[in-house]
Amino acid sequence: DSGVTQTPKHLITATGQRVTLRCSPRSGDLSVYWYQQSLDQGLQFLIQYYNGEERAKGNILERFSAQQFPDLHSELNLSSLELGDSALYFCASSSTSPSAPETQYFGPGTRLLVL
Amino acid sequence: ILNVEQSPQSLHVQEGDSTNFTCSFPSSNFYALHWYRWETAKSPEALFVMTLNGDEKKKGRISATLNTKEGYSYLYIKGSQPEDSATYLCAFPGTGGFKTIFGAGTRLFVKA
Repeated sequence: DSGVTQTPKHLITATGQRVTLRCSPRSGDLSVYWYQQSLDQGLQFLIQYYNGEERAKGNILERFSAQQFPDLHSELNLSSLELGDSALYFCASSSTSPSAPETQYFGPGTRLLVL
Repeated sequence: ILNVEQSPQSLHVQEGDSTNFTCSFPSSNFYALHWYRWETAKSPEALFVMTLNGDEKKKGRISATLNTKEGYSYLYIKGSQPEDSATYLCAFPGTGGFKTIFGAGTRLFVKA
C-alpha cells in the first residue's frame, strides 16, 4: 500500500458526460501527478500540482482539468467524454520539493470506461 | 523533446536466468532517472533513483547502473524468479516545471 488513495476504483459512463476522479496523496506529500494509461499505451503524464499550484503540464486535453485543494487532495475533471478517453487514470504523489528528483508513489488507479 | 527509450520491449526467460534491460536517454541536461516495477493489475512501485554518473544501486537480486555521459541505465536481475514477472519502467522525473516522462517499459516474463 503506497498510501495514495484514489476514488472511485471503477467508473462507467456515457459519451458526452463529465466525471471527477479524486486523489488523496500520502501524508506529507505536497506534489500530486496525474497519468493516463490507455490500452497498449505507456504511462502518459497529464499534469502536476505542487502545494495547490500547477507545476508542469503534459499531454492533457482541453476537455480535462485538474486542481489541488488546500488539504492537498486533487481532482481530475474529464468532460465531454469520448470513447477514446477510456483508460486507467493514476495519481501519484511525492514529497516536499518540486525541484528534486523525488520518487513518485502511485495510487491504485481509477479505471474509466466510456460507452 | 526528451525521448526515453527502453529495450527490449519484452523478454521471456527461464527461472534462474539472469537478465538485463536498457533505458536510453539524451545525455545532455541529465538530472535524475527513476526505475519502477509494475506488476499486472497493480500500480507502479519505485525501485531506484539514480542521480550520479557511475551510480550503482542494489535491492536484493535487482541492481541498476547509470552512465550519464553515454546516456543509458541498465537494470539487472540475477537468478530471475516467476515473481519478477512485471513491466520495468524508467522515467525522467519532472523537476523545475518539466513534465515527467516514462519509457514504454520492458515486459519481463519469467517461466518456472
